[in-house]
Amino acid sequence: DAGVTQSPTHLIKTRGQQVTLRCSPISGHKSVSWYQQVLGQGPQFIFQYYEKEERGRGNFPDRFSARQFPNYSSELNVNALLLGDSALYLCASSTNTGGTEAFFGQGTRLTVV
Amino acid sequence: AQRVTQPEKLLSVFKGAPVELKCNYSYSGSPELFWYVQYSRQRLQLLLRHISRESIKGFTADLNKGETSFHLKKPFAQEEDSAMYYCALLTSGGSYIPTFGRGTSLIVHP
Repeated sequence: DAGVTQSPTHLIKTRGQQVTLRCSPISGHKSVSWYQQVLGQGPQFIFQYYEKEERGRGNFPDRFSARQFPNYSSELNVNALLLGDSALYLCASSTNTGGTEAFFGQGTRLTVV
Repeated sequence: AQRVTQPEKLLSVFKGAPVELKCNYSYSGSPELFWYVQYSRQRLQLLLRHISRESIKGFTADLNKGETSFHLKKPFAQEEDSAMYYCALLTSGGSYIPTFGRGTSLIVHP
């Protein structure tokens, strides 16, 4: 099992553009969460999806959106990119919501110029 | 709103010395607390959670509700313990909102 996989690994975008990040969970995991991690800080929760429904949302603007597909993979979309959106975006999968162990991907490094 | 505070950005010890990584939290409900670890060039991974009351790689953490703390301890540090450690809180109830601290970098010198 390759674990949680994220694509792409690195991405450079221009201010105002839109970006889509992808995540494939571990086989059998139905929950996917997204986090933003800026340098020197811990991961900050963006969204959690379980069985294709949003189960949790962090304090992020509406420019951030996500969805989960029938195969439990997920996409995170960010519109109207700002320089401050530059960060490592992490995806984590788990079997369920709540206190079950979350398995993290290697992340997508987004740079906005 | 919930908050997790890890007061030390960096903790430097020698091999064999005791280690304590501090974590304080604020949350009005009954929290679930976790410690995550990230070794160099590896993914973030769960180290332990308070409800399991287990010891992993010699590390233990006790939830102290009176002091709202969940400090991570190990009696004798090893060089392979050098890593970034994150304390995380999960709110109870129907809404899933995990909150991470900023992390503490532990360096264990030979």
